[in-house]
Amino acid sequence: NAGVMQNPRHLVRRRGQEARLRCSPMKGHSHVYWYRQLPEEGLKFMVYLQKENIIDESGMPKERFSAEFPKEGPSILRIQQVVRGDSAAYFCASSPRQGATSGANVLTFGAGSRLTVL
Amino acid sequence: KNEVEQSPQNLTAQEGEFITINCSYSVGISALHWLQQHPGGGIVSLFMLSSGKKKHGRLIATINIQEKHSSLHITASHPRDSAVYICAVWGSGNQFYFGTGTSLTVIP
Repeated sequence: NAGVMQNPRHLVRRRGQEARLRCSPMKGHSHVYWYRQLPEEGLKFMVYLQKENIIDESGMPKERFSAEFPKEGPSILRIQQVVRGDSAAYFCASSPRQGATSGANVLTFGAGSRLTVL
Repeated sequence: KNEVEQSPQNLTAQEGEFITINCSYSVGISALHWLQQHPGGGIVSLFMLSSGKKKHGRLIATINIQEKHSSLHITASHPRDSAVYICAVWGSGNQFYFGTGTSLTVIP
């Protein structure tokens, strides 16, 4: 049972290009969360999605960032016209139900995607 | 002010020492997680707590809901415990709030 799969692990983009980060949740998990970790800072919530629905995007920058979790396929975090300040590690986590309050350690993180903007 | 505060920010210990990392939070929560992030960047969830105490090997996590405080203890610390430990709380709404992490270095 594979864990949360994120790809690419490392992505280099030039300013103005687009970055697409993918996250496949654990089997049986229907809730996906994206977090950003800027250099020397802690994790920050970006967006919470269920299949075909954005539940909470209060942590997403208003421009250039978007996320989706289609019926089929992975969740995608898309950053258009990247700038140097977008350089960060982007983590995806999944859980089988909202709130991750049931069971033990139901929130599972991916290994992260490290975006470098030149 | 962050919803979740951790202390200390950095911690260096000799191998074998008993280590405590503290987490205080200001929001109402339904669960608290302790996460471990290794130098390679990967994040592992160590514990999820909603009350009391949990133990896994040399790791012990406690939570006091009334005082809005949790501690992570490591007994007989080892260099492989060197990592960043992050406290995360599931608060009202649909998101986690994270502490900025405690960077632990255990020296042989």
